[in-house]
Amino acid sequence: EVQMVESGGGLVQPGGSLRLSCAASGFTFSNYWMQWVRQAPGKGLEWVANIKHDGSVTSYVDSLRGRITISRDNAKNSLYLEMNSLRVEDTAVYYCARVRNWNDGSWGSDYWGQGTQVTVSS
Amino acid sequence: EIVLTQSPGTLSLSPGERATLSCRASQSFSNNLLAWYQKKPGQAPRLLIYGASRRATGIPDRFSGSGSGTDFTLTISRLEPEDSAVYYCQQYFDFQDTFGQGTKLEIK
Repeated sequence: EVQMVESGGGLVQPGGSLRLSCAASGFTFSNYWMQWVRQAPGKGLEWVANIKHDGSVTSYVDSLRGRITISRDNAKNSLYLEMNSLRVEDTAVYYCARVRNWNDGSWGSDYWGQGTQVTVSS
Repeated sequence: EIVLTQSPGTLSLSPGERATLSCRASQSFSNNLLAWYQKKPGQAPRLLIYGASRRATGIPDRFSGSGSGTDFTLTISRLEPEDSAVYYCQQYFDFQDTFGQGTKLEIK
């Protein structure tokens, strides 16, 4: 069974840092792109970052670039999101998701974790 | 960066009716790169449609996707109460895999 479990969220003061983790199981983690998506209270889904299966390519949303780093450890079947200089507006539930590329060239995120809450407040 | 604009913002329909949700892109891209998700409060997003028109595993055939270029549509026929949710489109064209702002579907 495919599973992804996020951890590392919590309450942090503005300007602080957090490292989110996503533990994947039930599939060959090293074969898939992965992404982080967040949802702030009362807002829509926002794509945050993605990373190629071997970690050689990463992309970030413009509003967070320079403050976040996505990484992965394929030996540990784990995805990470390092967040620095956190702001109140970064408060959100952060989801990790597997990005699948089907044989016909289609793309979509077919498995998601349940999310980890990040709250930035003084 | 591709901007996806979804309409309407909110849709209120009765059980058994058909819902038509739109997702318009700021530039054209291959329809292989468009997906639709259902999001309910407290739950993770659920993939409904990938490649613009392919149903994900376990998704009822009441859900269908269509479109190409810059205009994509999610159609939900024969609405059921459990279809009440926010629906999002997402594109995978340029590595900046943006979402639309969502359409809230209310079942009366």
